[in-house]
Amino acid sequence: GENVEQHPSTLSVQEGDSAVIKCTYSDSASNYFPWYKQELGKGPQLIIDIRSNVGEKKDQRIAVTLNKTAKHFSLHITETQPEDSAVYFCAASEGTSGTYKYIFGTGTRLKVLA
Amino acid sequence: GAGVSQSPRYKVAKRGQDVALRCDPISGHVSLFWYQQALGQGPEFLTYFQNEAQLDKSGLPSDRFFAERPEGSVSTLKIQRTQQEDSAVYLCASSSRLAGGDTQYFGPGTRLTVL
Repeated sequence: GENVEQHPSTLSVQEGDSAVIKCTYSDSASNYFPWYKQELGKGPQLIIDIRSNVGEKKDQRIAVTLNKTAKHFSLHITETQPEDSAVYFCAASEGTSGTYKYIFGTGTRLKVLA
Repeated sequence: GAGVSQSPRYKVAKRGQDVALRCDPISGHVSLFWYQQALGQGPEFLTYFQNEAQLDKSGLPSDRFFAERPEGSVSTLKIQRTQQEDSAVYLCASSSRLAGGDTQYFGPGTRLTVL
């Protein structure tokens, strides 16, 4: 089955700097890669996603890149703000299961220092 | 519109008790997923419903875990004879389309603590 690895586990940046979180996956059949932001005591909230027929997608300060050959995808946050502080999870849809359940990474705790 | 809701938000159970966790998906969403999130970890898949049919229960950790969605809307996750290792946040997610990699929207979760 699918396996997703995520790095780093913690990341501290100064306000205004950029943050990059990287994930790798194992199942070449996976075709959908969402990113979620989870704040304390809340459920994961979708912030951006990318499908396997696209190499890059951008939404304001957030962008995601996908390299299907290397089986890795990354989240880029520019001009970070204190409210970006949270835990971020990458996920990959398990392409072979038929249910397209998500396999999540272990999370990155992002701290934006004011 | 309303998102996914879950109740209760917090549940404390004594070891050996049975618990029932409820999920109200987004109206009209045919796909419903349950995930378990241990402290400091990412969510892990438990089970999947397409309307009222439970199509995948491969993630349920033991036969003490049971899920149902009898009318294809509200779902209940039941845990019998709870154990300390069952302590976790239980997340429900729904999706508007049939299986196919569509976006899943998550509820706030139920935090279960087994003493």
